[in-house]
Amino acid sequence: AQSVSQHNHHVILSEAASLELGCNYSYGGTVNLFWYVQYPGQHLQLLLKYFSGDPLVKGIKGFEAEFIKSKFSFNLRKPSVQWSDTAEYFCAVNAGSNTGKLIFGQGTTLQVKP
Amino acid sequence: GAVVSQHPSWVICKSGTSVKIECRSLDFQATTMFWYRQFPKQSLMLMATSNEGSKATYEQGVEKDKFLINHASLTLSTLTVTSAHPEDSSFYICSARDFRGLRGNTIYFGEGSWLTVV
Repeated sequence: AQSVSQHNHHVILSEAASLELGCNYSYGGTVNLFWYVQYPGQHLQLLLKYFSGDPLVKGIKGFEAEFIKSKFSFNLRKPSVQWSDTAEYFCAVNAGSNTGKLIFGQGTTLQVKP
Repeated sequence: GAVVSQHPSWVICKSGTSVKIECRSLDFQATTMFWYRQFPKQSLMLMATSNEGSKATYEQGVEKDKFLINHASLTLSTLTVTSAHPEDSSFYICSARDFRGLRGNTIYFGEGSWLTVV
């Protein structure tokens, strides 16, 4: 069965620090990969997604992620975080191509100190 | 703006009663929608796949008779929690995939519905 693992459960950073959140998945076939963010009291929002093509994907709010097929990874990065980036971040994998069924990682809580 | 809308945003019900949550795709047709559940401080767990015009497909461990799903139209799926108990209190989220148009196969999530059973 597919699974998604996020290694960092709780990350605390100061403003302007660089961010990298790890995400690994287990599935041998073609995958679609997503990063979602959930701000306190709000619904999930898509940060970025990878379907095919350039493995370096740029999303909203300065986030990017790199798909490394050989490592089954899709890590999220941001060069300089802001206090407003404080949120819960979820990595997700499409469970079978061309469906909308997602398997989510456990989530990473990011706390940015002003 | 939101392209997938859920209603109600929050609901409190008495133990033993049933409660219905709606999920609507606002400007696209969704033949398939998905229902997730999120417990506090935990990740989202897929409960079921809602298929327009046919029976829902439930994930292992999800009680079909307790969580009734109806996808009667291309823009509406409903989740009914029957005979609710306090352990059903959770955050329920739906999603739908827009296969068409400029959005490029994006999956959109509803705002979520907080259910508290007292």
